[in-house]
Amino acid sequence: NAGVTQTPKFRILKIGQSMTLQCAQDMNHNYMYWYRQDPGMGLKLIYYSVGAGITDKGEVPNGYNVSRSTTEDFPLRLELAAPSQTSVYFCASRDNHYQPQHFGDGTRLSIL
Amino acid sequence: ELKVEQNPLFLSMQEGKNYTIYCNYSTTSDRLYWYRQDPGKSLESLFVLLSNGAVKQEGRLMASLDTKARLSTLHITAAVHDLSATYFCAVDMADTGNQFYFGTGTSLTVIP
Repeated sequence: NAGVTQTPKFRILKIGQSMTLQCAQDMNHNYMYWYRQDPGMGLKLIYYSVGAGITDKGEVPNGYNVSRSTTEDFPLRLELAAPSQTSVYFCASRDNHYQPQHFGDGTRLSIL
Repeated sequence: ELKVEQNPLFLSMQEGKNYTIYCNYSTTSDRLYWYRQDPGKSLESLFVLLSNGAVKQEGRLMASLDTKARLSTLHITAAVHDLSATYFCAVDMADTGNQFYFGTGTSLTVIP
């Protein structure tokens, strides 16, 4: 059982480049989330989705976009990467409001 | 915006000692989650607390929730080195349950 799978694990981008962080879950969870974690800090919610075709902004959405065309996949798009987006990005999913989130292993992104 | 505060931020304790980590949050919610994160790793769910007065225990860790005081505690009994990690509490909004807010974390070091 793979759970939540994030790719890539590491990436270095130049300022102004774009990329997509992939997230897939095989648990048939409706709820999916994207977070960023800056060094020594807690997680900040970027975007979330309550089901295929439905997405909404979290606490820090600026500079990011998401889509949810299937239940399994929830990619996060960075357009025009900036140094402030250097962070560790975690994807998570859960079954319903009363369950904890299951987290992927994270993507470590550096923008130089 | 919901704020989640943890204290202490850093905790160094000797093996065998007891201690409590506190998590305060600023608005109504009756769902609180505790997670553990080892250095460079993802987050692992520890406890889900779903109602006022809820208490959960697993091994040397016990979590409780007081929704009236907007306070959760994570109590560590007879600490061992393996408990060294960063502990996060997280709260979701009472109305939708979709916006998640994490505390800044408590970095625990257990000294032999």
